[in-house]
Amino acid sequence: QSALTQPASVSGSPGQSITISCTGTSSDVGGYNYVSWYQQHPGKAPKLMIYEVSNRPSGVPDRFSGSKSGNTASLTISGLQAEDEADYYCSSYTSSFYVFGTGTKVTVL
Amino acid sequence: QITLKESGPTLVKPTQTLTLTCTFSGFSLSTSGVGVGWIRQPPGKALEWLALIYWDDDKRYSPSLKSRLTITKDTSKNQVVLTMTNMDPVDTATYYCAHSFGPDGLGGWGQGTLVTVSS
Repeated sequence: QSALTQPASVSGSPGQSITISCTGTSSDVGGYNYVSWYQQHPGKAPKLMIYEVSNRPSGVPDRFSGSKSGNTASLTISGLQAEDEADYYCSSYTSSFYVFGTGTKVTVL
Repeated sequence: QITLKESGPTLVKPTQTLTLTCTFSGFSLSTSGVGVGWIRQPPGKALEWLALIYWDDDKRYSPSLKSRLTITKDTSKNQVVLTMTNMDPVDTATYYCAHSFGPDGLGGWGQGTLVTVSS
């Protein structure tokens, strides 16, 4: 059960849009619509941003959106803001359990 | 409001067994679909799923750690306990518990507790 693959870092200027990919296999990302995304600021606990591929919990800005195509899920942040600078992790269901991604550091330039 | 808090030792010796308790409020582990999971994060590294227990006592474990983990719940006390045997320095990490409200998504997290494994 290998970790899902994410880019180590993604950056963008305020107001821009960025997309973080999360690549797995047909046994995890591609096989289930159970992909979630978490934001983690330094020294803090993760926060759920997206669940079941594209659903936003109450209170999460609509600048955050999720999608999936084949074995790759994506998190898009539109209108990037300074407070979006953080680490982001995807998670997927796989064969009765779950697996996280390798994590992506988002830098706001 | 959902809150969770992890408690347990901050320092354990190699080969010892770690016991962590997650005490929660704002939801019931007897409610259909609800679960509590344990996740850890070594310093500077990625998150790692450890175990998950559901309202119906269904238990799931990380395949790579399954032989070392046990998760239990005490619904009356609103607590979930995780034990990990044969601790090693590589198990040094911040351990989090989190609320699972359905088949996907951990909606509430504890603050985490740093466990150091050292002699």
